[in-house]
Amino acid sequence: EDKVVQSPLSLVVHEGDTVTLNCSYEVTNFRSLLWYKQEKKAPTFLFMLTSSGIEKKSGRLSSILDKKELFSILNITATQTGDSAVYLCAPNTGNQFYFGTGTSLTVIP
Amino acid sequence: DAGVIQSPRHEVTEMGQEVTLRCKLISGHNSLFWYRQTMMRGLELLIYFNNNVPIDDSGMPEDRFSAKMPNASFSTLKIQPSEPRDSAVYFCASSLGRVRTEAFFGQGTRLTVV
Repeated sequence: EDKVVQSPLSLVVHEGDTVTLNCSYEVTNFRSLLWYKQEKKAPTFLFMLTSSGIEKKSGRLSSILDKKELFSILNITATQTGDSAVYLCAPNTGNQFYFGTGTSLTVIP
Repeated sequence: DAGVIQSPRHEVTEMGQEVTLRCKLISGHNSLFWYRQTMMRGLELLIYFNNNVPIDDSGMPEDRFSAKMPNASFSTLKIQPSEPRDSAVYFCASSLGRVRTEAFFGQGTRLTVV
């Protein structure tokens, strides 16, 4: 059975802290892994990772994939209150985007 | 492009009534996904279309749920009859292709069945 586990389930940090969010997966026909940010509405796309070891960066966010160990991490440096959201990872199996339950991040001023 | 457009944004209905949710894909996209999100179960895939054809409907919870894609840009999700446990946020998402691509989400329909 396909499985996606994200950890921690929730996290509370102070502005300026660095956080690491984890995503481990076991899916058949893995094609890529996507990270999304969800505030009070729809998930918005952050990164797509297809190859191991290649870090994707966008400002203070970065992500890397390990296809051998079947996990990905999302790092956020110098966190801001606007980073407060649920972060979802989703392996793409070619037939669907299989979403984890997410990590809820709260950044306190 | 306006992105994926869902309607209505909110729906409150009584148990037993029929509910129809609507979704307009991003122009040129050929894959369409319907998801349901609840606190307990997160984002669950209900059904997936590729080129207007339903590919995987194994996530549709019961026969009360049905989805159609009458043309390349529009889809409906119908619940008949609705039940209180159907209360959730329903998202549709579209993508260009199935593999090395991301899915773009609509703003969702918050359904409350009382």
